[in-house]
Amino acid sequence: GQQVMQIPQYQHVQEGEDFTTYCNSSTTLSNIRWYKQRPGGHPVFLIQLVKSGEVKKQKRLTFQFGEAKKNSSLHITATQTTDVGTYFCAGGRTSYDKVIFGPGTSLSVIP
Amino acid sequence: NAGVTQTPKFRILKIGQSMTLQCTQDMNHNYMYWYRQDPGMGLKLIYYSVGAGITDKGEVPNGYNVSRSTTEDFPLRLELAAPSQTSVYFCASSYSTESNEKLFFGSGTQLSVL
Repeated sequence: GQQVMQIPQYQHVQEGEDFTTYCNSSTTLSNIRWYKQRPGGHPVFLIQLVKSGEVKKQKRLTFQFGEAKKNSSLHITATQTTDVGTYFCAGGRTSYDKVIFGPGTSLSVIP
Repeated sequence: NAGVTQTPKFRILKIGQSMTLQCTQDMNHNYMYWYRQDPGMGLKLIYYSVGAGITDKGEVPNGYNVSRSTTEDFPLRLELAAPSQTSVYFCASSYSTESNEKLFFGSGTQLSVL
């Protein structure tokens, strides 16, 4: 079956440092979505990527979808304490397929 | 706007008991999902539904049942609760799984089976 993996599992950074999490799928994805979950909260949608090689930016966050549509990355520039949380990627093999989540990368930011 | 509403927020069950986790959405979304999230882990898909009267298994369906009699409601049933079902359960919905649709999540139900 389809598997979605993320690395690293945990990341501790000093405030102001950059952070990157990587998402890899065992199958080609129709689209990739990123969610953020604050401690004790529920996942909140961040962004969706659809096109091969697509790059999108949201302020200090940069999202990229691989050329083969099997991997993606989220990069945060100059982390802040408000970036603390777990970042999940999620995708489906087709537009109508069920959405499978990766295990997440937990980010801690040391002030 | 209510969005996706889950009840209860917390529940403690004894082994072998049964219960239903309620989920309702007021956005007229076709797709609804149940996920479980174990401590420090990601979300695992239990069941999903693409519309009223249609349900399908996700990654971890064993020990659960669902029904979708209306567009709004998607209850999750645990028949014989086991300690392995201790988890946080999230219900989610979307209008479709098309490229511009995102999942809306409920606030979660924290379930402990002792």
